[in-house]
This record gives sequence, C-alpha cells and structure tokens, in this order.
Amino acid sequence: EAGVTQFPSHSVIEKGQTVTLRCDPISGHDNLYWYRRVMGKEIKFLLHFVKESKQDESGMPNNRFLAERTGGTYSTLKVQPAELEDSGVYFCASLDRMNTEAFFGQGTRLTVV
Amino acid sequence: LAKTTQPISMDSYEGQEVNITCSHNNIATNDYITWYQQFPSQGPRFIIQGYKTKVTNEVASLFIPADRKSSTLSLPRVSLSDTAVYYCLVGDDARGSARQLTFGSGTQLTVLP
Repeated sequence: EAGVTQFPSHSVIEKGQTVTLRCDPISGHDNLYWYRRVMGKEIKFLLHFVKESKQDESGMPNNRFLAERTGGTYSTLKVQPAELEDSGVYFCASLDRMNTEAFFGQGTRLTVV
Repeated sequence: LAKTTQPISMDSYEGQEVNITCSHNNIATNDYITWYQQFPSQGPRFIIQGYKTKVTNEVASLFIPADRKSSTLSLPRVSLSDTAVYYCLVGDDARGSARQLTFGSGTQLTVLP
C-alpha cells in the first residue's frame, strides 16, 4: 500500500508569487490533515478534511491560504501571494479507516525569498 | 489540550536502553498519551499510544504511572538509526477519534557509536 505522498518535496518561490502544494493520502482514508512547521517552531495544525468537506480549518493562518479536496481524494494547499513568513515544512497526514493511526507524508519544504 | 514538557535533547550510545520522560500535569480524564518519531526530512511516525499502566509493542514500551501526570517512552537497545526527534502528545485523540494532533517541541535523541 502506498503511503501519503506530497509534491513537490521542495519549492523555492519569490515573495508575492503563488505556490500550490499537493497531497495524495493513502487510498480510502477519509480524514486528511495539513500541518506545518515554520523555522524554530513546533508543528502546527492547519486544517482537517473529512472526504471533500472541511471539518476544521481553525489553524489556517490567514486568507492567503486556500485548501481544497475536490472529490475527496487528493488535496491541494495554495498560498497566494506567498510571504516570507510562510517558509517552512508543510506536512500532510491521513488517518486509516479505523481512525487508529495518522500517516504523514514526507513534507514539502517551502522557501519564500 | 494538555501541555507537555520533554527534555530538548538526549544523547545515548548504541545498545543502551533509552528512557524519555514527558510531563503532562494537567492531563484530562479522556486524554490518551501518544508518541511519534520523526527522522530528518520525513514526517512524524506513530510509535505507541497508551492510557494507563504499561503498553509494549515491537518498537517501544510506554510506562504511565497511576496519576498519569507523566509518561516514559522506553526504547530498548537503541541503534544509530534511532536518532530522531520524539514527540509526546496528549489529547483525546484515542483510537477511533479523528481529532487533530497537537505537537510540542519534542526531544532530539542522538545515538552515538
């Protein structure tokens, strides 16, 4: 069974540009989460999807961040326009069918210059 | 959500047993204790979860005293590949729940040859 995959693994963009991160959860996992860790800080929750619906987006920092999960499969997280403080590692996780264990992707390292 | 306190870092030598203790003085009745492991450039990986007493799996043991205000992750006979950050999480994210995870600062374990 393939794990959670994220693309790209690294992204370097200029301030003001747009970046879209993608997460493919493990097939069949209804719950999908986005987390991020900015430099020197702890891993923080961003939002939670149940299938295609946003269950909890209380961790989204501002309206420059837009997450979608059309069709309830893969998810995208778009940052527009990117700011310097958005730099960090963005993790995606999905939960197995019995909600017993969260599986994380390897993360996308975003650098805004 | 209960706040957790862990040592920032620990060093050990190959073949030794490592015990990482986490304090969670305000743990709630419904809270479970979960430990995650994170290698560089990877997402966190579930290690073990418990509610009270002792839990053991193929990777580690988790000791929880009766008052549940702390817990100790025990790694038997560590190897160089166990070098990672270990996170202690406390919350009502028990198996069957799909709640978000709350990460603290973690403990950087370095295993020396």
